[in-house]
Amino acid sequence: DTEVTQTPKHLVMGMTNKKSLKCEQHMGHRAMYWYKQKAKKPPELMFVYSYEKLSINESVPSRFSPECPNSSLLNLHLHALQPEDSALYLCASKAGGSPNEQFFGPGTRLTVL
Amino acid sequence: TQLLEQSPQFLSIQEGENLTVYCNSSSVFSSLQWYRQEPGEGPVLLVTVVTGGEVKKLKRLTFQFGDARKDSSLHITAAQPGDTGLYLCAGVNSGNTPLVFGKGTRLSVIA
Repeated sequence: DTEVTQTPKHLVMGMTNKKSLKCEQHMGHRAMYWYKQKAKKPPELMFVYSYEKLSINESVPSRFSPECPNSSLLNLHLHALQPEDSALYLCASKAGGSPNEQFFGPGTRLTVL
Repeated sequence: TQLLEQSPQFLSIQEGENLTVYCNSSSVFSSLQWYRQEPGEGPVLLVTVVTGGEVKKLKRLTFQFGDARKDSSLHITAAQPGDTGLYLCAGVNSGNTPLVFGKGTRLSVIA
Protein backbone atom coordinates (compact mmCIF):
# COMPACT_ATOMS: atom_id res chain seq x y z
CA ASP A 1 0.00 0.00 0.00
CA THR A 2 1.72 3.17 -1.18
CA GLU A 3 -0.96 5.75 -0.75
CA VAL A 4 -2.36 8.26 1.66
CA THR A 5 -6.15 8.26 1.90
CA GLN A 6 -8.36 11.08 3.13
CA THR A 7 -12.03 11.22 4.02
CA PRO A 8 -14.35 12.80 3.25
CA LYS A 9 -13.54 14.01 -0.26
CA HIS A 10 -15.88 16.97 0.12
CA LEU A 11 -17.35 18.60 3.24
CA VAL A 12 -19.79 21.45 3.63
CA MET A 13 -20.33 22.76 7.14
CA GLY A 14 -21.89 25.68 8.94
CA MET A 15 -19.96 27.93 11.25
CA THR A 16 -21.47 26.28 14.34
CA ASN A 17 -20.83 22.69 13.25
CA LYS A 18 -18.21 20.29 14.55
CA LYS A 19 -16.67 17.96 12.01
CA SER A 20 -13.50 15.91 11.56
CA LEU A 21 -11.20 15.18 8.66
CA LYS A 22 -9.44 11.83 8.56
CA CYS A 23 -6.18 10.71 7.03
CA GLU A 24 -4.68 7.23 6.89
CA GLN A 25 -1.45 5.72 5.59
CA HIS A 26 -0.10 2.19 5.82
CA MET A 27 3.42 2.83 4.55
CA GLY A 28 4.92 2.78 8.04
CA HIS A 29 5.72 6.48 7.81
CA ARG A 30 6.32 8.11 11.18
CA ALA A 31 5.83 11.74 10.21
CA MET A 32 2.44 13.06 9.15
CA TYR A 33 1.38 16.53 8.11
CA TRP A 34 -1.70 18.72 7.65
CA TYR A 35 -1.62 21.42 5.00
CA LYS A 36 -4.18 24.00 3.91
CA GLN A 37 -4.29 25.04 0.26
CA LYS A 38 -6.26 27.97 -1.09
CA ALA A 39 -7.06 28.28 -4.79
CA LYS A 40 -4.08 29.09 -7.01
CA LYS A 41 -1.68 28.97 -4.03
CA PRO A 42 0.86 26.39 -2.85
CA PRO A 43 0.10 24.28 0.23
CA GLU A 44 0.62 25.99 3.61
CA LEU A 45 1.86 23.85 6.48
CA MET A 46 -0.44 23.66 9.50
CA PHE A 47 0.77 20.83 11.74
CA VAL A 48 3.49 18.17 11.85
CA TYR A 49 3.33 14.97 13.86
CA SER A 50 6.49 12.99 14.39
CA TYR A 51 6.23 9.58 16.05
CA GLU A 52 2.65 10.43 17.02
CA LYS A 53 3.65 13.60 18.85
CA LEU A 54 2.87 17.11 17.68
CA SER A 55 6.19 18.65 16.71
CA ILE A 56 5.15 21.74 14.73
CA ASN A 57 2.09 23.97 15.00
CA GLU A 58 2.37 26.83 12.53
CA SER A 59 0.36 29.24 14.71
CA VAL A 60 -2.89 27.68 13.59
CA PRO A 61 -6.09 28.99 15.26
CA SER A 62 -7.49 26.75 17.98
CA ARG A 63 -10.65 26.10 15.97
CA PHE A 64 -8.43 23.53 14.20
CA SER A 65 -7.44 20.68 16.53
CA PRO A 66 -5.19 17.88 15.27
CA GLU A 67 -5.02 14.40 16.71
CA CYS A 68 -2.81 11.41 15.98
CA PRO A 69 -4.45 8.31 17.52
CA ASN A 70 -1.75 5.96 16.18
CA SER A 71 1.07 5.86 13.67
CA SER A 72 -1.29 5.27 10.73
CA LEU A 73 -4.02 7.79 11.47
CA LEU A 74 -4.23 11.55 11.59
CA ASN A 75 -7.37 13.54 12.32
CA LEU A 76 -8.19 17.22 12.09
CA HIS A 77 -11.09 18.30 14.27
CA LEU A 78 -12.95 21.40 13.15
CA HIS A 79 -15.14 23.62 15.28
CA ALA A 80 -16.57 27.11 14.81
CA LEU A 81 -14.87 27.65 11.49
CA GLN A 82 -15.12 30.80 9.43
CA PRO A 83 -15.95 31.08 5.71
CA GLU A 84 -12.32 32.06 5.04
CA ASP A 85 -11.30 28.60 6.27
CA SER A 86 -12.80 27.13 3.10
CA ALA A 87 -9.92 25.42 1.27
CA LEU A 88 -8.44 22.10 0.20
CA TYR A 89 -7.02 20.35 3.26
CA LEU A 90 -4.16 18.01 2.45
CA CYS A 91 -2.60 15.29 4.54
CA ALA A 92 0.92 14.03 3.82
CA SER A 93 3.31 11.49 5.27
CA LYS A 94 7.04 10.92 5.15
CA ALA A 95 9.30 7.99 5.85
CA GLY A 96 11.99 8.46 8.45
CA GLY A 97 15.42 9.11 6.98
CA SER A 98 14.14 10.05 3.52
CA PRO A 99 15.13 13.46 2.12
CA ASN A 100 11.77 14.89 3.16
CA GLU A 101 9.86 13.16 0.36
CA GLN A 102 6.29 13.76 1.37
CA PHE A 103 3.44 11.76 -0.10
CA PHE A 104 0.15 13.61 -0.24
CA GLY A 105 -3.40 12.38 0.00
CA PRO A 106 -6.09 13.55 -2.44
CA GLY A 107 -7.35 16.18 -0.02
CA THR A 108 -10.67 17.20 1.48
CA ARG A 109 -12.43 20.12 -0.17
CA LEU A 110 -13.97 22.04 2.73
CA THR A 111 -16.62 24.70 2.31
CA VAL A 112 -17.72 26.71 5.35
CA LEU A 113 -21.04 28.48 4.95
CA THR B 1 12.98 32.93 5.69
CA GLN B 2 13.84 30.71 2.76
CA LEU B 3 12.11 31.46 -0.50
CA LEU B 4 11.78 29.47 -3.68
CA GLU B 5 11.02 31.59 -6.71
CA GLN B 6 9.32 29.66 -9.41
CA SER B 7 8.93 30.85 -13.00
CA PRO B 8 6.99 31.23 -15.10
CA GLN B 9 3.79 31.39 -13.06
CA PHE B 10 1.62 30.53 -16.04
CA LEU B 11 2.44 28.76 -19.28
CA SER B 12 0.12 27.90 -22.15
CA ILE B 13 1.63 25.96 -25.02
CA GLN B 14 0.64 23.80 -27.97
CA GLU B 15 0.95 20.03 -27.89
CA GLY B 16 4.40 18.95 -29.04
CA GLU B 17 6.26 22.03 -27.80
CA ASN B 18 9.09 21.94 -25.27
CA LEU B 19 9.15 23.96 -22.06
CA THR B 20 11.29 24.63 -19.01
CA VAL B 21 10.18 25.62 -15.52
CA TYR B 22 12.66 27.19 -13.13
CA CYS B 23 12.93 27.13 -9.36
CA ASN B 24 15.49 29.52 -7.82
CA SER B 25 16.63 30.48 -4.35
CA SER B 26 19.43 32.30 -2.60
CA SER B 27 19.48 29.50 -0.03
CA VAL B 28 21.09 26.08 -0.24
CA PHE B 29 18.75 23.11 -0.05
CA SER B 30 19.73 19.61 1.00
CA SER B 31 17.08 18.22 -1.32
CA LEU B 32 14.44 19.47 -3.68
CA GLN B 33 11.23 17.82 -4.80
CA TRP B 34 9.03 18.42 -7.83
CA TYR B 35 5.31 17.73 -7.59
CA ARG B 36 2.45 17.86 -10.10
CA GLN B 37 -1.04 18.70 -8.92
CA GLU B 38 -4.32 18.46 -10.80
CA PRO B 39 -7.36 20.55 -9.77
CA GLY B 40 -9.02 19.24 -6.62
CA GLU B 41 -6.35 16.60 -6.05
CA GLY B 42 -3.27 16.36 -3.87
CA PRO B 43 0.25 16.96 -5.22
CA VAL B 44 1.91 13.88 -6.69
CA LEU B 45 5.64 13.51 -6.13
CA LEU B 46 7.53 13.35 -9.45
CA VAL B 47 11.15 13.35 -8.35
CA THR B 48 13.61 14.19 -5.59
CA VAL B 49 17.07 15.57 -6.32
CA VAL B 50 19.73 15.63 -3.61
CA THR B 51 23.14 15.99 -5.25
CA GLY B 52 24.42 19.21 -6.82
CA GLY B 53 24.50 18.88 -10.60
CA GLU B 54 22.21 15.85 -10.52
CA VAL B 55 20.04 15.15 -13.56
CA LYS B 56 17.06 12.80 -13.42
CA LYS B 57 14.78 11.75 -16.23
CA LEU B 58 11.20 10.57 -16.01
CA LYS B 59 10.02 9.74 -19.54
CA ARG B 60 9.71 13.15 -21.26
CA LEU B 61 10.54 15.08 -18.07
CA THR B 62 14.12 16.04 -17.20
CA PHE B 63 14.94 17.46 -13.77
CA GLN B 64 18.20 19.16 -12.88
CA PHE B 65 19.58 20.31 -9.54
CA GLY B 66 22.02 23.20 -9.69
CA ASP B 67 25.66 22.62 -8.78
CA ALA B 68 25.31 24.84 -5.72
CA ARG B 69 21.96 23.23 -4.75
CA LYS B 70 20.21 26.61 -4.88
CA ASP B 71 18.17 26.09 -8.03
CA SER B 72 16.45 23.47 -10.10
CA SER B 73 14.76 23.13 -13.45
CA LEU B 74 12.12 20.93 -15.01
CA HIS B 75 12.20 20.46 -18.77
CA ILE B 76 9.35 18.79 -20.63
CA THR B 77 9.92 17.56 -24.16
CA ALA B 78 7.05 17.28 -26.61
CA ALA B 79 4.39 18.31 -24.12
CA GLN B 80 1.09 16.42 -24.11
CA PRO B 81 -2.35 17.57 -22.89
CA GLY B 82 -1.94 15.08 -20.05
CA ASP B 83 0.97 17.19 -18.76
CA THR B 84 -1.49 19.96 -17.89
CA GLY B 85 -1.44 20.82 -14.20
CA LEU B 86 0.22 22.80 -11.44
CA TYR B 87 3.92 22.06 -11.04
CA LEU B 88 5.35 22.77 -7.60
CA CYS B 89 8.94 22.74 -6.50
CA ALA B 90 9.61 22.25 -2.80
CA GLY B 91 12.90 22.28 -0.95
CA VAL B 92 14.14 21.33 2.47
CA ASN B 93 17.06 22.96 4.19
CA SER B 94 18.13 20.03 6.37
CA GLY B 95 16.85 17.05 8.24
CA ASN B 96 13.21 17.30 9.15
CA THR B 97 12.71 21.01 8.59
CA PRO B 98 9.42 21.74 6.81
CA LEU B 99 9.20 21.84 3.05
CA VAL B 100 9.44 25.27 1.47
CA PHE B 101 7.17 25.45 -1.57
CA GLY B 102 7.50 27.61 -4.64
CA LYS B 103 4.32 29.38 -5.78
CA GLY B 104 3.87 26.92 -8.62
CA THR B 105 3.72 26.98 -12.40
CA ARG B 106 0.33 26.44 -13.95
CA LEU B 107 0.85 24.63 -17.25
CA SER B 108 -1.81 24.26 -19.92
CA VAL B 109 -1.04 22.12 -22.96
CA ILE B 110 -3.50 22.63 -25.78
CA ALA B 111 -4.18 19.83 -28.25
